[in-house]
Amino acid sequence: NAGVTQTPKFQVLKTGQSMTLQCAQDMNHNSMYWYRQDPGMGLRLIYYSASEGTTDKGEVPNGYNVSRLNKREFSLRLESAAPSQTSVYFCASSEATEGTGSYNEQFFGPGTRLTVL
Amino acid sequence: AQSVAQPEDQVNVAEGNPLTVKCTYSVSGNPYLFWYVQYPNRGLQFLLKYITGDNLVKGSYGFEAEFNKSQTSFHLKKPSALVSDSALYFCAVRDSANSGNTPLVFGKGTRLSVIA
Repeated sequence: NAGVTQTPKFQVLKTGQSMTLQCAQDMNHNSMYWYRQDPGMGLRLIYYSASEGTTDKGEVPNGYNVSRLNKREFSLRLESAAPSQTSVYFCASSEATEGTGSYNEQFFGPGTRLTVL
Repeated sequence: AQSVAQPEDQVNVAEGNPLTVKCTYSVSGNPYLFWYVQYPNRGLQFLLKYITGDNLVKGSYGFEAEFNKSQTSFHLKKPSALVSDSALYFCAVRDSANSGNTPLVFGKGTRLSVIA
């Protein structure tokens, strides 16, 4: 199993350009997540998808859109990139259920390092 | 609301000495607690979790963590540090009263530096 994969690994954009970050998991997990990591800020949740067909905003959703394409894939789109979106982006997935008491950990991809000039 | 705090940005320890990375949490119900490690230019790797039962949880690479309900803490420990343990460590929490697909909430991370 490859686990969680992300493409691309690195990307440089100019302000105003758009791009889509791709994420796929092969663990048949229900839930998928997008985080960004900035120095001194830890991990901040952008969007998540609790199950196929649903998406919800996280802590920092502005400037981003997401698509849960199917159970395996969850993409993050920047419509008009800004320098404030320079960051490392991580996708994660987990085998989670809607009921309470689910304690499964999240599995992370290797990250995409994005620079916006 | 659920939250987690890692009070130290940086921890330095000599190789062979015991190490502790601190974490405190706040939840309404009972906590599910997790530790992750991030090596340079890599994603986060799961180390261990506390769900219920024994307050001392053992995980990967010789790490363990102690759950203390009265102090709302879940400190990560290792009896003898290795230079290869140098990395960024994240504590995370989910309130057991929340739906299982509620995302984990992460602390800001603690950078561990083990000096030879």
